[in-house]
Amino acid sequence: AQSVTQPDARVTVSEGASLQLRCKYSYFGTPYLFWYVQYPRQGLQLLLKYYPGDPVVQGVNGFEAEFSKSNSSFHLRKASVHWSDWAVYFCAVKRGSNYKLTFGKGTLLTVTP
Amino acid sequence: EAGVTQSPRYAVLQEGQAVSFWCDPISGHDTLYWYQQPRDQGPQLLVYFRDEAVIDNSQLPSDRFSAVRPKGTNSTLKIQSAKQGDTATYLCASSFCGGYYAEQFFGPGTRLTVL
Repeated sequence: AQSVTQPDARVTVSEGASLQLRCKYSYFGTPYLFWYVQYPRQGLQLLLKYYPGDPVVQGVNGFEAEFSKSNSSFHLRKASVHWSDWAVYFCAVKRGSNYKLTFGKGTLLTVTP
Repeated sequence: EAGVTQSPRYAVLQEGQAVSFWCDPISGHDTLYWYQQPRDQGPQLLVYFRDEAVIDNSQLPSDRFSAVRPKGTNSTLKIQSAKQGDTATYLCASSFCGGYYAEQFFGPGTRLTVL
């Protein structure tokens, strides 16, 4: 069965510092991977998506992620965090004939001044 | 372009009461999804439709939950006899087609509290 693991429930970063949020997937075959962000009292918004090809994908607002088949990982990065990035970030994998999205439990990013 | 809209935004019930959630997807999107998101968890798919047909409802607790999309546009998710364990945010999403490349757009959700 597929799964997505986000090992860090919460990450705290100083404004202006770099960021990495971790995601590990477990899946047989070619994974289609996604990062979503959820701001308080809002729905999920797509940050970026990986389809088989270039392992580094660019997203909105300066986010990028790198797919690693050898490490079964799809970590999210940002070079310089802004206070407005304070939110919950979800990694997800899509698979199967029904193309179902399976989400991790999320990582809360908090930003300190 | 209007996004996915949901109503109500909040609902508070006593155990045993019924509640319905309504979703209006993005115009032209043929695929509609309902997710349950417990507090501090990721969304979990309950059911999804292509047009008016149910494609997958394997995670829908069929004894108390039901979902319809009669004209292939708006959808209603209903909980009969709610339990405290149903406390969660219910998210609706829509996409054009449902394949690997289809992006799902999410509504703001309905936050349900069952006392």
